[in-house]
Parts: sequence; structure tokens; C-alpha cells
Amino acid sequence: GAGVSQTPSNKVTEKGKYVELRCDPISGHTALYWYRQSLGQGPEFLIYFQGTGAADDSGLPNDRFFAVRPEGSVSTLKIQRTERGDSAVYLCASSLARGRYNEQFFGPGTRLTVL
Amino acid sequence: AQSVTQLGSHVSVSEGALVLLRCNYSSSVPPYLFWYVQYPNQGLQLLLKYTSAATLVKGINGFEAEFKKSETSFHLTKPSAHMSDAAEYFCAVSDTQGGSEKLVFGKGTKLTVNP
Repeated sequence: GAGVSQTPSNKVTEKGKYVELRCDPISGHTALYWYRQSLGQGPEFLIYFQGTGAADDSGLPNDRFFAVRPEGSVSTLKIQRTERGDSAVYLCASSLARGRYNEQFFGPGTRLTVL
Repeated sequence: AQSVTQLGSHVSVSEGALVLLRCNYSSSVPPYLFWYVQYPNQGLQLLLKYTSAATLVKGINGFEAEFKKSETSFHLTKPSAHMSDAAEYFCAVSDTQGGSEKLVFGKGTKLTVNP
């Protein structure tokens, strides 16, 4: 079956612009996560959805970052007034259900470059 | 809060040699630990996970890891390296603070396999 997909694979934008990054999780997976991976670092948690609601958004760095999952499937990460420091690979992951032991399946990521 | 530390950002081995990638964890609760592998321009793939069932965990591609509570370690090993093992490896711990089962990753270890 299809894995987690993310679009676009690459996004180049200018400082101050608005961007949207899309994640299509594995069908039937209720849990969805966004992570950000900066160069030379491990992925860092941004936000977690269980169904349609954001159950944990403690990793969002500031109010320029926002994410939605209106129908409990596809999710969009939105970044306003982008800054050069936002440049990173944004990873999406999904898992079948809640549970610390549940495997998270990762997409290939969106590489965001802010000029 | 849970955290992991990966010792050595780069490890280089010869083909056929033992692979040892180190990971130490810090957790206030019994940890759930994971090793992920990331090939260039690809998403993270789960190698193996520890969920308290057995201290020696076998994963894909011949990798295994041993959970040692006394040493707070979860090192990844493979008896004989193959060229195809060249990738970046991430250790992670499940963190339930905030109501999610987000993963907290180490900074990663890049494995190079020399012919």
C-alpha cells in the first residue's frame, strides 16, 4: 500500500512569504505528527494530531506556524512571514493509533529553503 | 522529559566489520526506544524498537540492539557491515509529555562503510 506522501518535495520561497506544506498519511492512520529536521540535527517534534484535533502543539516554535487536519486525514502545515531560520526539512509521520509502542511511518519530507 | 544522546556524529567501518552505534537515554518512566535509518533524500525507516518485552531486540537488515537499564543504553549493532548500510541512524525515545507519543530523537550518527 501507499506510504506517507508529502508535497511539494522542495519549496523555495522568499523571506516574508507564506507557505503551505501538505501531508497525506497512510489510509486509516488516526495519529499524525509533524517534525522539523535542520541540517545536522535529528528531527524535532512540532505538532501531533489525533483525528482532527491538535492534541499536542507544544513543539511549534512561534505563532507563525500553524497546522490543520480538518477531515482527520490530510494535514497542512502553514508558515506565515517565513524567515531564513525556517529553512529545514519538514517531515510528516503517521501511526495507526495512540500508543507509545506504535511505529510512526515517515514521509520523504519537504525541503523548505527561505532565501 | 525523555531524551537520548548519540555518541559520535560520524562512524566509519570497513565492509565486513562490526558496526556499533551508541545511544544513551534519559527517562523518568520505563522507556520505549527506537532506532530509525535515513538514506539520502528518503524518509526515516524503522529498524527496530524496544517495548520492554525483551532486552535484545532484532530488527531488519541484520541489525539488533540491547537494552541495558543499568547503563541507560540502547546501542545498535550489526556483526558484518555491508556497503548498503551507509546511511544516517537515529535513536529515539517516546515522550508522553503533553499528551502525545511524540518521538524525541538524537542528533544522528552518519555511518560510512569503506570497501
